Amino acid sequence: DTEVTQTPKHLVMGMTNKKSLKCEQHMGHRAMYWYKQKAKKPPELMFVYSYEKLSINESVPSRFSPECPNSSLLNLHLHALQPEDSALYLCASRTTGGTEAFFGQGTRLTVV
Amino acid sequence: SQQGEEDPQALSIQEGENATMNCSYKTSINNLQWYRQNSGRGLVHLILIRSNEREKHSGRLRVTLDTSKKSSSLLITASRAADTASYFCGQIQGAQKLVFGQGTRLTINP
Repeated sequence: DTEVTQTPKHLVMGMTNKKSLKCEQHMGHRAMYWYKQKAKKPPELMFVYSYEKLSINESVPSRFSPECPNSSLLNLHLHALQPEDSALYLCASRTTGGTEAFFGQGTRLTVV
Repeated sequence: SQQGEEDPQALSIQEGENATMNCSYKTSINNLQWYRQNSGRGLVHLILIRSNEREKHSGRLRVTLDTSKKSSSLLITASRAADTASYFCGQIQGAQKLVFGQGTRLTINP
């Protein structure tokens, strides 16, 4: 199984809502990533988890709160987002010390 | 970008032609990776070239690396409509930080 599964595929939320994005992989990868991607731009790294511990936070606003409850699951909790946070959110995983990253299909988030 | 520049930003060619896209990076590397992204979907790993390699092939893909110029190129030969996608070079900074160049949007016209 070489899949990274992201849910939901699409999400529309108001600026006062709280929602969560979910990412799951069963490849035994111990490094997991969240990226934000705007149209016609490259994926922009947000967070990296290594062995379920947050190892990199790219100065992301606190309205984005990541969580790694176990080695297979990565969540991104969203609260009080702004319209400019509308984007494709991508999750990825790779073996620590490995090379190739495996990406999910993304969650298309629209903040209204 | 977090990693470097790619050019061209957009490339449109006829089916059957070759497509070349270039990537420049900022920091020293152990390896450089190329990924493809179909519209609005996740990235797919295509090929990796290590810092001690100068050229690598995989099917219709050819990647070159020039560490003295901190640049790499991806050549897709005999392009097909299904090659229409965005292509990104990726670099791992430190042990874990995977970052991408600006990308090239490739359109193959039938």
